[in-house]
Amino acid sequence: AQKITQTQPGMFVQEKEAVTLDCTYDTSDPSYGLFWYKQPSSGEMIFLIYQGSYDQQNATEGRYSLNFQKARKSANLVISASQLGDSAMYFCAMRPTGNQFYFGTGTSLTVIP
Amino acid sequence: SQTIHQWPATLVQPVGSPLSLECTVEGTSNPNLYWYRQAAGRGLQLLFYSVGIGQISSEVPQNLSASRPQDRQFILSSKKLLLSDSGFYLCASLRGQGRGDTQYFGPGTRLTVL
Repeated sequence: AQKITQTQPGMFVQEKEAVTLDCTYDTSDPSYGLFWYKQPSSGEMIFLIYQGSYDQQNATEGRYSLNFQKARKSANLVISASQLGDSAMYFCAMRPTGNQFYFGTGTSLTVIP
Repeated sequence: SQTIHQWPATLVQPVGSPLSLECTVEGTSNPNLYWYRQAAGRGLQLLFYSVGIGQISSEVPQNLSASRPQDRQFILSSKKLLLSDSGFYLCASLRGQGRGDTQYFGPGTRLTVL
């Protein structure tokens, strides 16, 4: 079975601090992709970062980095130097073999000034 | 890059009324297309996906249906809406078979069934 788990319904972070959003996954496929999306209050889903299951290095995109621990089946998102505009819902997703994406239930991040 | 259009942006419908939500894609050809529903404060539930014209796969049996009359057009319909159909509907497009190819999402339609 394919499953994505996000155990933090809500998180708070002080502006300019770093924050880690947790994501664990379950799949028996040897090849898969892991994604993080941001959903602001407007509703649109914005792609942030991608990690392939065979990638040796953790992915980074600007202030976003993905802490990929394959043995633990975790793909945590790290946001450095948080900004007020980072307040949003964050979704972890997995694409195993095929064209379907599996999403977690999301984490609501609030950045405190 | 791809651009996904959805309309209407907001819709309020009575129970038992029909529904038609439209999604169109620009900037790509022959994409895989998806309809998701998101209940308030919840994750995304895959409703339908399509790999080509006239090819629809249903993930959740319910009173909704989908059609793909053109390569870059995806329509979500219902003959009679239920209260439980309320939610935020997102259309997504996927172009590419690579594991790293991401879905692009439209702005969504917020549906309230009263």
